[in-house]
Amino acid sequence: QKEVEQDPGPLSVPEGAIVSLNCTYSNSAFQYFMWYRQYSRKGPELLMYTYSSGNKEDGRFTAQVDKSSKYISLFIRDSQPSDSATYLCAMSAELTGGGNKLTFGTGTQLKVEL
Amino acid sequence: DAGVIQSPRHEVTEMGQEVTLRCKPISGHNSLFWYRQTMMRGLELLIYFNNNVPIDDSGMPEDRFSAKMPNASFSTLKIQPSEPRDSAVYFCASSLAGLAASTDTQYFGPGTRLTVL
Repeated sequence: QKEVEQDPGPLSVPEGAIVSLNCTYSNSAFQYFMWYRQYSRKGPELLMYTYSSGNKEDGRFTAQVDKSSKYISLFIRDSQPSDSATYLCAMSAELTGGGNKLTFGTGTQLKVEL
Repeated sequence: DAGVIQSPRHEVTEMGQEVTLRCKPISGHNSLFWYRQTMMRGLELLIYFNNNVPIDDSGMPEDRFSAKMPNASFSTLKIQPSEPRDSAVYFCASSLAGLAASTDTQYFGPGTRLTVL
């Protein structure tokens, strides 16, 4: 079993829809949770970051973490065609010695159609 | 800042050949990461360095893979000999690891698309 599970999609929605992307994980040591966005033939870029349980909102994006269920979500409101990309969840535990080792999900491919 | 720079962007080689991928991290960053991305396995960490020292290479698939970071501004990932199953996109990322190391953003390069025939 993978440490982080993510539905690969593809997920196709109409413009303006609310999108829900999810990941589950098995390692209870994970404390830092991130969502990366990756456009086709580009490197991933950090979209949002949260620590421990709770919600965080940034414009049209909301990240949600439920550590008791080992479940994280990313919601996109009023989705736009420019949101079409692959979304990867990533997690890390507290580390000593410097650096941050991330464990990624496989990514969910999202397409927002006009 | 130019961001993380990787070369080459595309590499096509034949099985058995040596492949060298190059990375220049963002100036001032002291953590560097090599990842491999495939459709089946997603993004996997191969190795990471902190202050030019390899910290964790447990993700390196086998002895055919090696990575070096001779100075703060350059790293290489070498595959010798290459095999068709090594075909993937290889990403380099860097971060400014500090006291709050776990929260540092990793900045990814554009990747090297490797095809081994």
